[in-house]
Amino acid sequence: GIQVEQSPPDLILQEGANSTLRCNFSDSVNNLQWFHQNPWGQLINLFYIPSGTKQNGRLSATTVATERYSLLYISSSQTTDSGVYFCAGDSNYQLIWGAGTKLIIKP
Amino acid sequence: GAGVSQSPRYKVAKRGQDVALRCDPISGHVSLFWYQQALGQGPEFLTYFQNEAQLDKSGLPSDRFFAERPEGSVSTLKIQRTQQEDSAVYLCASSAPTGMDYGYTFGSGTRLTVV
Repeated sequence: GIQVEQSPPDLILQEGANSTLRCNFSDSVNNLQWFHQNPWGQLINLFYIPSGTKQNGRLSATTVATERYSLLYISSSQTTDSGVYFCAGDSNYQLIWGAGTKLIIKP
Repeated sequence: GAGVSQSPRYKVAKRGQDVALRCDPISGHVSLFWYQQALGQGPEFLTYFQNEAQLDKSGLPSDRFFAERPEGSVSTLKIQRTQQEDSAVYLCASSAPTGMDYGYTFGSGTRLTVV
């Protein structure tokens, strides 16, 4: 079965809006991470978040490991937030990736 | 270095040509990974090194793919007799030992186009 599942697959928002991206992961996957891949292909590690909540500026993430999900919050979206957001987790040291959420922020 | 450095940034190869892609991980990171990312998809695992030891190469798609990390730092991914289906972005990542709160850091990738 699917080990890492992300939703929604696509999201289009106006600049300034808030958004929540979700990642569900199976028992075999641990140590959740969130990445942003910008339109130029660079993968940026946003959060390493096996559990709990972390915040970095307008972004925050929460992982509830016992319920096997993680949420990424983006507040006051900017056009530079556009790109694909991936969550991924360790499974025997390999990163298992979700299919990504493609976010488009319109000015 | 401050980040994971990959070179070249772009590579165009004629079908049948051999290519070598370089990855310079973050200093002190013992774990190094290669991933392949096709357009519109998430990265796919290729191989994993811990120091100079290649512990897993199960993701390498064929015996034309070969990776090495002889001194436990810089790694090279070599593709022999390139085919069009090898066109993709090749990403390198490094991480500190398990238990440290760093996760994985990716390089900018090498975009390989086989023509």
